[in-house]
Amino acid sequence: GAVVSQHPSRVICKSGTSVKIECRSLDFQATTMFWYRQFPKQSLMLMATSNEGSKATYEQGVEKDKFLINHASLTLSTLTVTSAHPEDSSFYICSARRRTGVRGTDTQYFGPGTRLTVL
Amino acid sequence: AQKITQTQPGMFVQEKEAVTLDCTYDTSDPSYGLFWYKQPSSGEMIFLIYQGSYDQQNATEGRYSLNFQKARKSANLVISASQLGDSAMYFCAMREGVEGSQGNLIFGKGTKLSVKP
Repeated sequence: GAVVSQHPSRVICKSGTSVKIECRSLDFQATTMFWYRQFPKQSLMLMATSNEGSKATYEQGVEKDKFLINHASLTLSTLTVTSAHPEDSSFYICSARRRTGVRGTDTQYFGPGTRLTVL
Repeated sequence: AQKITQTQPGMFVQEKEAVTLDCTYDTSDPSYGLFWYKQPSSGEMIFLIYQGSYDQQNATEGRYSLNFQKARKSANLVISASQLGDSAMYFCAMREGVEGSQGNLIFGKGTKLSVKP
């Protein structure tokens, strides 16, 4: 299957600092990437949709100034958690949409996730 | 109303037996895709299987098969010959409007599968 990498896998930071998470599609070009947040024992919550070359689309309730998304190329999207606070501690997962060119068969592949702990 | 419903928070299965994980969905869009993902304790989401709303046959991938019943709006995952490594959370997901949409997935709450030796 397709490979999506995410870096770092784990980060611990002090309150008030900013943290950048990178998401890369390694063997395909992804015009669309997604950022999810997952709390313990819960499902994935979509935060935003990242489109290459344009602004990200944020879900309701997600602060765009808090969670900065940049989709700089067809293989890289970054999520920056600005001025992180303890309540931002969570598991963040990126996903890249692989277009197949055949109607309805696009698949979404996920990165391994980043566990953020804000002290 | 929930778009994706997984009614089994937890399931147990004996090693080497088959298990069915339930998933029902709700959409008025004629074009949609259904996905199953496995999330082991490491956290990574692993794509297992896909079923398109227009697909005539049930999808199969190795030991995984999707029992697609369109009229009932169900897309149950069947795992045959369970292995200890199958113990994980399993998420059913849907993408509506496969044409010209952003394509984000809507996830169910998941089912935790435990395989007993």
